[in-house]
Amino acid sequence: ETGVTQSPTHLIKTRGQQVTLRCSSQSGHNTVSWYQQALGQGPQFIFQYYREEENGRGNFPPRFSGLQFPNYSSELNVNALELDDSALYLCASSTLAGGVLYEQYFGPGTRLTVT
Amino acid sequence: GNSVTQMEGPVTLSEEAFLTINCTYTATGYPSLFWYVQYPGEGLQLLLKATKADDKGSNKGFEATYRKETTSFHLEKGSVQVSDSAVYFCALSGRDDKIIFGKGTRLHILP
Repeated sequence: ETGVTQSPTHLIKTRGQQVTLRCSSQSGHNTVSWYQQALGQGPQFIFQYYREEENGRGNFPPRFSGLQFPNYSSELNVNALELDDSALYLCASSTLAGGVLYEQYFGPGTRLTVT
Repeated sequence: GNSVTQMEGPVTLSEEAFLTINCTYTATGYPSLFWYVQYPGEGLQLLLKATKADDKGSNKGFEATYRKETTSFHLEKGSVQVSDSAVYFCALSGRDDKIIFGKGTRLHILP
């Protein structure tokens, strides 16, 4: 049991809509990373948040945005949904201390389908 | 940029067979290397890791050795079980701590 939870489990949206996915980090962790896993592919890094600030971003457009809250829970927002945004979205929490990022623990993911 | 290439699946083996899943990487510097496993309906779990050349990561009977000269991190297990059926991802992280994953290898173990 990693302690990382995500909601909702599944979601269906229409092209052009906006979506918010949520992640609750494992207790004591101060860093959260989000990944997109398309069907049959490995996860791709979207961005990372550390103490409520973005701390690195992958090759995703600005319509992918995020928030990290003081309790270290996090949201991933995607605007103007496209069909290719259909994927499993994973969050991972960890601890960043002394310049070292410790093991990332993954949640079960949110399956987003865009029609 | 950094990248990971792993053998395509699916890989189908009989129980108690020997398993090898090949993984090679391209990276600047000295990345950390990982194998993650994704069981059906579950999130990613770290299976093992190695942080420097010649390190051997091991867990649950699985092993992988960090080979810098061949830029490889092949996953091996001497005797697989039905419960090992899952998708296995090779991955690396560099100085920016961003994890780069391979495309995954689906493993089926037949009883």
